[in-house]
Amino acid sequence: AQTVTQSQPEMSVQEAETVTLSCTYDTSESNYYLFWYKQPPSRQMILVIRQEAYKQQNATENRFSVNFQKAAKSFSLKISDSQLGDTAMYFCAFMMIGNNNDMRFGAGTRLTVKP
Amino acid sequence: DAGITQSPRYKITETGRQVTLMCHQTWSHSYMFWYRQDLGHGLRLIYYSAAADITDKGEVPDGYVVSRSKTENFPLTLESATRSQTSVYFCASSDIRKAYGYTFGSGTRLTVV
Repeated sequence: AQTVTQSQPEMSVQEAETVTLSCTYDTSESNYYLFWYKQPPSRQMILVIRQEAYKQQNATENRFSVNFQKAAKSFSLKISDSQLGDTAMYFCAFMMIGNNNDMRFGAGTRLTVKP
Repeated sequence: DAGITQSPRYKITETGRQVTLMCHQTWSHSYMFWYRQDLGHGLRLIYYSAAADITDKGEVPDGYVVSRSKTENFPLTLESATRSQTSVYFCASSDIRKAYGYTFGSGTRLTVV
C-alpha cells in the first residue's frame, strides 16, 4: 500500500519569510498525482497545489510552489512571503491514476506564521 | 448553495447509540468518500462509492455502514458508537477522473461519551 510521510509535525515561520514543508511517499507505480491541502482553523480542507507525476516541471500557484523529485519520491511545498493567513495544518496526499484508487494522506504539518 | 454539505457540524452521542452523518453534493460527482481525521494519522478512508448503489471499504471500515441510493447523497452510519469513533469526519466528492483532487465538506466533529 502507498504511504505518505510528513516528518515535521510542527513548523513556524516569520511573516514575509519562506518556509518549506517536507513530504515523502512510497510507491512502485509511475503514474500518480500528488497534492497539498491546507486546513485552517475553520476545518475546511482547501486544495493548495497539485502535481502530475508524468510532468517534470514543478507546479506553482502564486506564492506556493513544489519541489517534485520523482526518483527520490519527495514532494515538498514551499511557501514564499508567508502571511498570517497561511497558518494552518498542511496535508500532503498521494493518489494513483485509475478509477478504483483513493487518496492517501500524510499525518500533517502544523504551520504557524508569526507576526 | 452548490457544493458539498455535511450535517451536523457537531454531534455528541452516547456509547452504543446509532448515529448517522449526512453528506450531500450538488455537482453530480461520480465518486464520494468518507474519511476520518485523527491527530497523528491525517485522514484515513472509511468507505467510498464510485456511483449510486456501488460502495466499497476503505482503510478503516469496521463499525461503519454506508449507503448510496442517490448520486447526491452518501450517509455514514455508526451502528453502535464507541469512544474510539470520536473523530472529525469528512465527506468528499470527485468527478470520475479524480485528476483535480477531491472537494471536501466542512466536516462533522463527533464525540462519543
